Amino acid sequence: GALVYQYPRRTICKSGTSMRMECQAVGFQATSVAWYRQSPQKTFELIALSTVNSAIKYEQNFTQEKFPISHPNLSFSSMTVLNAYLEDRGLYLCGARQYSGNTLYFGEGSRLIVV
Amino acid sequence: GDSVTQTEGLVTVTEGLPVKLNCTYQTTYLTIAFFWYVQYLNEAPQVLLKSSTDNKRTEHQGFHATLHKSSSSFHLQKSSAQLSDSALYYCVHSNNRIFFGDGTQLVVKP
Repeated sequence: GALVYQYPRRTICKSGTSMRMECQAVGFQATSVAWYRQSPQKTFELIALSTVNSAIKYEQNFTQEKFPISHPNLSFSSMTVLNAYLEDRGLYLCGARQYSGNTLYFGEGSRLIVV
Repeated sequence: GDSVTQTEGLVTVTEGLPVKLNCTYQTTYLTIAFFWYVQYLNEAPQVLLKSSTDNKRTEHQGFHATLHKSSSSFHLQKSSAQLSDSALYYCVHSNNRIFFGDGTQLVVKP
């Protein structure tokens, strides 16, 4: 079956430092990976959509300078939160899907705690 | 533009009674897929149901939903709620992008 592993599950970082999270697809080819942040109100904010062999598309209010993403192959993607501050706290989720499907398979999430 | 609306932020139901979570959508695309995702406490969202066929009922784990393009709806229903159904439920539609509703917290009480 299709699985997505995401790590680390939880990171506590000091204000102004950075956190990198990784997303690994198993059992399918992740031609596109969407990175989301789940707010304290539990709504999903799309940060960016990364498709292999295409430019990464960032949503309004999110930039490559703040959330650089790497998607080097069909099974792996990573995103870094640079210079994290309190407003960056939350659960970051990667959702991966293959070219032929619409189903988004989520990783377990990486929770960022900023102190 | 495209959007998904879940009107209830919280639905509370007594165990054994029916439950319905509402979902309506707006889209400019013809070919779209619809999903209900469920997120249990401290877990990742996972697919509960999916459909792209108009007026066809889809079922899983006792839940069912029917896509009605005429009313732009994809409501989630269950005839008898269980305590273990307590979770966050998201209605999602997908074309080349993915649109999440804001989620509905379902609480099933004994």
